[in-house]
Amino acid sequence: DIQMTQSPSSLSASVGDRVTISCRASQRISSYLNWYQQKPGKAPKLLIYAASTLHSGVPSRFSGSGSGTDFTLTISTLRPEDFATYYCQQTYTTPLTFGGGTKVEIK
Amino acid sequence: EVQLVESGGGLVQPGGSLRLSCAASGFSVTGNYMSWVRQAPGKGLEWVSIIHGGGTTYYADSVKGRFTISRHSSKNTLYLQMNSLRVEDTAVYYCARDLLYSDSSAYYHGDWGQGTLVTVSS
Repeated sequence: DIQMTQSPSSLSASVGDRVTISCRASQRISSYLNWYQQKPGKAPKLLIYAASTLHSGVPSRFSGSGSGTDFTLTISTLRPEDFATYYCQQTYTTPLTFGGGTKVEIK
Repeated sequence: EVQLVESGGGLVQPGGSLRLSCAASGFSVTGNYMSWVRQAPGKGLEWVSIIHGGGTTYYADSVKGRFTISRHSSKNTLYLQMNSLRVEDTAVYYCARDLLYSDSSAYYHGDWGQGTLVTVSS
């Protein structure tokens, strides 16, 4: 199985900060990488697919990059509604696997 | 508008069975890839199973041989039959509509239901 490792597992940031979350795959997955946002008690929401394609309706302050084994989710200017947990997921092969999540908290 | 509504969760004893349903509207479940994803209390997301448009199915190793994904076209509903349930199957179960990348090489969970809680306990 492909293991997905996110770092950090949590971070504290202020509104207006630039935030970067990393995701590493245990083997090459091309660009078959998706990012989701989840708020407490809610279902996850898709942010980015194919490593860098912004899902419809997602604000442009979110961006994704990477290919192969190393990927990054960036929030250019953190807003209050962005405090949540973020997950990466590979869909290169089954079993599909998620990273452990990165919780973005208010500093 | 796409909508997914899960039901069927509840409390069940270890070794018991449960069938989850996911009623879809705004699209056809038989024309789409559909997945189940679960989340244990306080934990991260875990993919459980997928059914492709053509009917091919795949499962996580943790549920293989115990869970079965299926769909009913006229009811436009996705199912997850869960047998031989274990304490570690306790989780919120989400169904998701999977959408293909533009080159159809892979997919993502584009739409999600609100989830249904399954608790396995004696």
